[in-house]
Amino acid sequence: SQQGEEDPQALSIQEGENATMNCSYKTSINNLQWYRQNSGRGLVHLILIRSNEREKHSGRLRVTLDTSKKSSSLLITASRAADTASYFCATEGAGGYQKVTFGTGTKLQVIP
Amino acid sequence: DTAVSQTPKYLVTQMGNDKSIKCEQNLGHDTMYWYKQDSKKFLKIMFSYNNKELIINETVPNRFSPKSPDKAHLNLHINSLELGDSAVYFCASSEIRQGSEQYFGPGTRLTVT
Repeated sequence: SQQGEEDPQALSIQEGENATMNCSYKTSINNLQWYRQNSGRGLVHLILIRSNEREKHSGRLRVTLDTSKKSSSLLITASRAADTASYFCATEGAGGYQKVTFGTGTKLQVIP
Repeated sequence: DTAVSQTPKYLVTQMGNDKSIKCEQNLGHDTMYWYKQDSKKFLKIMFSYNNKELIINETVPNRFSPKSPDKAHLNLHINSLELGDSAVYFCASSEIRQGSEQYFGPGTRLTVT
């Protein structure tokens, strides 16, 4: 199974601190994406990193990808209460036809 | 302007019934998906359609039958509902190329009693 495993399952931090979430996967990928899900809502795309990229930034988000270790991390800097949500990594397999497999998710709570 | 919409938002029904969930996207995307999210928040793909053609059909009981009347709509019909079907069902859409971000609907919470 390509399914990503995320670590930690839950994370609670104070507003202003940085939050780091990790994702590990099992087989070769074309790209890895991160999504956010607010409680009771659908998922929202945050950022995509391709297999030939090692790091990508978008605003307060920093994503790294290590294909040799089959792992990725998402860093949210200077967190805000509005960042409280579940975060999922999603991998698109090298052989698959646009089949995206989601990880187990990290539930982030940012305390004001 | 809602990009991906689903109806209904909530669905409560008894075991053995048949129900449908509708999905529409106004983004002009060629690809649409159905996902199931269980109580542990695990999100699993069920089906994917490209221009009304089924391209991904995961190990899903044949009680679940998707139908795409046109590329903007992907409906999900479920026969003989079981307790284990209780979950949140998400519709999503994307462009046809690899690496396209998926746009998710708000979800349909199905409760089977």
